[in-house]
Amino acid sequence: QVQLQESGPGLVKPSETLSLTCTVSGGSISPNYWSWIRRPPGKGLEWIGYIRYSGTTNYNPSLKSRATMSVDTSKNQFSLRLTSVTAADTAVYYCARLNYGSGTYYNWIDPWGQGTLVTVSS
Amino acid sequence: DIQMTQSPSSLSASVGDRVTITCRASQSISNYLNWYQLRPGKAPKLLIYAASSLHNEVPSRFSGSGSGTDFTLTINSLQAEDFATYCCQQSHTAPFTFGQGTTLEI
Repeated sequence: QVQLQESGPGLVKPSETLSLTCTVSGGSISPNYWSWIRRPPGKGLEWIGYIRYSGTTNYNPSLKSRATMSVDTSKNQFSLRLTSVTAADTAVYYCARLNYGSGTYYNWIDPWGQGTLVTVSS
Repeated sequence: DIQMTQSPSSLSASVGDRVTITCRASQSISNYLNWYQLRPGKAPKLLIYAASSLHNEVPSRFSGSGSGTDFTLTINSLQAEDFATYCCQQSHTAPFTFGQGTTLEI
């Protein structure tokens, strides 16, 4: 079964760039959609966006163009970069697969990684 | 963006109880509604998709219903492992948005 594991620095300084990688095991990154979601402390989940194996992306406008996702099919990985971070970007970051129902627009997020806490602080 | 509002924000219950969590969308989303279970230190788990379809290997005590703007998640005969946080998510229109979560406490 497909498993996902996030990796990256747990501490990032304000104004710098947050970089995370998600490694997919037990299945191929193609031909799927892959998402990043985050949960700030004490708050609800926030969808960051998705990337398709082909490179097509869709980002949450709330991030004001600070987010960039990429895919490395040779390594079965996908990544997130978030620039100009502030304390408001402190959160547990999850990577996950975005699934679409066959022949429909129904979609759901499964499976998820365990998440990685990223703290923005000097 | 479509706003998702869950109620209650927290709920106390006992093993064996039946509980219902409500999720309301700020506009009609047909049945493009998913439910997830979150537990500390664990990967979030999909429970229900398309408002009422039970995901693989999810116990049948979980059920979902609703359409349009109002949805419910019901858990029958609560088990100890069900005490967690539950979140709804609309998958109708990007950005896909989540409710703030309902924490189910013993």
